[in-house]
Amino acid sequence: RKEVEQDPGPFNVPEGATVAFNCTYSNSASQSFFWYRQDCRKEPKLLMSVYSSGNEDGRFTAQLNRASQYISLLIRDSKLSDSATYLCVVNIGNQGGKLIFGQGTELSVKP
Amino acid sequence: NAGVTQTPKFQVLKTGQSMTLQCAQDMNHNSMYWYRQDPGMGLRLIYYSASEGTTDKGEVPNGYNVSRLNKREFSLRLESAAPSQTSVYFCASTTLGGAYEQYFGPGTRLTVT
Repeated sequence: RKEVEQDPGPFNVPEGATVAFNCTYSNSASQSFFWYRQDCRKEPKLLMSVYSSGNEDGRFTAQLNRASQYISLLIRDSKLSDSATYLCVVNIGNQGGKLIFGQGTELSVKP
Repeated sequence: NAGVTQTPKFQVLKTGQSMTLQCAQDMNHNSMYWYRQDPGMGLRLIYYSASEGTTDKGEVPNGYNVSRLNKREFSLRLESAAPSQTSVYFCASTTLGGAYEQYFGPGTRLTVT
């Protein structure tokens, strides 16, 4: 079983749609959680950190459920510019700060 | 402030050749990382350096060596390239460990024939 699992997609949605991505992680010692965004053939960039109480940044909302070892990302009012691959990332805190990446979920927003 | 830089951007090697990928950061970060990214596999950690003077193996270290030359620079060496090492290589750095945002370089696209 992979340490971080995501639905690879692709998710094809129209502009203005709401889309949700899910991610599960297997290591209960995981301490920090992130969503990164990666555009085609570019480097990953941090989209947002994920906090236990859940957090929102504009149209983006991240949730964490430690009991279920589950992370989610909700994108409201999708824009064409949201088209990218979204990476779920987990830090296993007792391993010197290594990040474990999911394989990514591809999103394509169409006009 | 250039962030994380990597050289070269593209490289084609023949099987058995060697090369070194260079990475440098100007953000005074303590920790640096090398990843490879293959289709359908996500990013996989090759080696990392939690602080200057230390290096540790990641998930896929076989066939690679690293050197943390100083706080700014972290190089990745392929001693005898194999076609299985065809990939996109990313270097990243962060302030301290994995609790903080990692900043990535633009990547090196390596093809081994």
